[in-house]
Amino acid sequence: QVQLQESGPRLVKPSETLSLTCTVSGASISNYFWSWIRQPPGKGLEWIGYIYYSGITNYNPSLKSRVTMSLDTSKNQFSLKLSSVTAADTAVYYCARHPGSGYNFFDYWGQGTLVTVSS
Amino acid sequence: DIQMTQSPSTLSASVGDRVTITCRASQSISSWLAWYQQNPGKAPKLLIYKASNLESGVPSRFSGSGSGTEFTLTISSLQPDDFATYYCQQYNYSPWTFGQGTKVEIK
Repeated sequence: QVQLQESGPRLVKPSETLSLTCTVSGASISNYFWSWIRQPPGKGLEWIGYIYYSGITNYNPSLKSRVTMSLDTSKNQFSLKLSSVTAADTAVYYCARHPGSGYNFFDYWGQGTLVTVSS
Repeated sequence: DIQMTQSPSTLSASVGDRVTITCRASQSISSWLAWYQQNPGKAPKLLIYKASNLESGVPSRFSGSGSGTEFTLTISSLQPDDFATYYCQQYNYSPWTFGQGTKVEIK
């Protein structure tokens, strides 16, 4: 059974860097594409970007200048860094799996973690 | 970016009703569309991919149709577990984008 779990600080100060990690069980991160998606409170979903084990990344242009994704195959984890955060970055952040190469929808999701940007 | 517009934004219905949600894309996305269900405080759950393919384990009362710019999600007989918010997502063009959501409420 595939499971994803987000972890990281729940409170980040404005102008600092948000850092989250997604730990995957039940599937090897080397075999799939992995995305981050966020949802501001009471609002809709925004795709942030994806990473593949080969190092291929694709970021949403609206966030590209502030986003970095990486992965650690030894820990079966992948990570998100979002720099220079503001209150507008307050959201529930989800990690999710693409079911296959070229399949850019999401079949497994983490439970989500609310990150609040506030001083 | 491709804009995805869902209608209605809110839908009031009763158990047993047939429900249809529409999703329109700002340009043709062929059949590269997925539908998700989200319950409060939970992650979205994949229902349909490639416009009409039912994800494994999803009840057959859910169905999807459409291509190009207009798509529909139909629930043939609404069940208590189906009161939730539904999102469409296009994956023909990066950045992948979602509709604003349709909340299905109890009438």
